[in-house]
Amino acid sequence: DGGITQSPKYLFRKEGQNVTLSCEQNLNHDAMYWYRQDPGQGLRLIYYSQIVNDFQKGDIAEGYSVSREKKESFPLTVTSAQKNPTAFYLCASIPSSRGANTGELFFGEGSRLTVL
Amino acid sequence: GENVEQHPSTLSVQEGDSAVIKCTYSDSASNYFPWYKQELGKRPQLIIDIRSNVGEKKDQRIAVTLNKTAKHFSLHITETQPEDSAVYFCAASSLTSYGKLTFGQGTILTVHP
Repeated sequence: DGGITQSPKYLFRKEGQNVTLSCEQNLNHDAMYWYRQDPGQGLRLIYYSQIVNDFQKGDIAEGYSVSREKKESFPLTVTSAQKNPTAFYLCASIPSSRGANTGELFFGEGSRLTVL
Repeated sequence: GENVEQHPSTLSVQEGDSAVIKCTYSDSASNYFPWYKQELGKRPQLIIDIRSNVGEKKDQRIAVTLNKTAKHFSLHITETQPEDSAVYFCAASSLTSYGKLTFGQGTILTVHP
């Protein structure tokens, strides 16, 4: 069954700790994205990657880092430099960001991070 | 960069009524406008989208209209049902960068039986 898998679903972190959120897809999609969701603010783009070994900052990249060593995987690290990390994090993918027939983003189930 | 404003933030209707959610965008280069539905605790899912070369698109009870001159687009849901209750997000992007969406703040739609 194809899709996007995020883990963990819930994560608690103490201040000053780095945490890594996993995102794996078996849809053979080229492009992957990380969005952050806060109540009343919609979704905001953190980082995106259009191809393996390449990624770009989104609108709110400060305090986050990513890697794209494999096509299927796009992990997000929330570092201690992120001032307000408590949020719902959504990973998404798209067949290709260039010349796609549809712009539909396929989302994972999300990871809820709480900083204690 | 692009800025998308969405109204209202909450909308309550009776079953069978129509619901309308409106969005405005700022970047005239945007030409792709999707709408996502997010049920409680679930992932957002695309329900309909429109490109700037058309003014209206319909899919059963859902329709979207686009006014490029005024830079606004709207979601129309007719004959609402309780299962339509969810958070709805509008978004905008350019066709050269599909996944880089700028989202509106979301509308919580509640349909009362």
